[in-house]
Amino acid sequence: ETGVTQTPRHLVMGMTNKKSLKCEQHLGHNAMYWYKQSAKKPLELMFVYSLEERVENNSVPSRFSPECPNSSHLFLHLHTLQPEDSALYLCASSPGFTGAKNIQYFGAGTRLSVL
Amino acid sequence: SQQGEEDPQALSIQEGENATMNCSYKTSINNLQWYRQNSGRGLVHLILIRSNEREKHSGRLRVTLDTSKKSSSLLITASRAADTASYFCATDDTGFQKLVFGTGTRLLVSP
Repeated sequence: ETGVTQTPRHLVMGMTNKKSLKCEQHLGHNAMYWYKQSAKKPLELMFVYSLEERVENNSVPSRFSPECPNSSHLFLHLHTLQPEDSALYLCASSPGFTGAKNIQYFGAGTRLSVL
Repeated sequence: SQQGEEDPQALSIQEGENATMNCSYKTSINNLQWYRQNSGRGLVHLILIRSNEREKHSGRLRVTLDTSKKSSSLLITASRAADTASYFCATDDTGFQKLVFGTGTRLLVSP
């Protein structure tokens, strides 16, 4: 266990559905991240939050909407997804952004399938 | 742009053998990290090496860093079946300190 919990572990949704992914960390970290991992592609950084403030949005389509209500919780709201959005979505946290504080702790991921 | 690229993409060895994976990157870095990922799971941090370090050890892991060649290697000695996983290098983006991950090396260790 890394201290980062993601739910659900698996999710199947239609293109017209709305669903949310949840991430929770109790490590006292200040930074939280959403990544997308597709087969045969590098890990793609989607969003970065620092103390509940979004600090990076890597040109992610608006059908992905993040929310960080507090420093321990991070959500990824999904709506009208496309089949190419099927992937493993990983949440991570880190103490900070510099040096050893940039060591990231990952959740087990949510395997998303869009039909 | 993508920073880390691992080589080889896949590696298959027998238990007890050593496994070496290489990572190349394109720009100046402050640190380089190695992570491991078991199939369908999250990544787990293994080791961090700073740009002013040349070699670092942790248990059966040995990491080297050559900043002049912009490359790093991860050596796993006396491998075990439980080492079967994908291994990723990650470099920090000096502009924002975010990590950029490579495509990974898939390691298979057969009993």
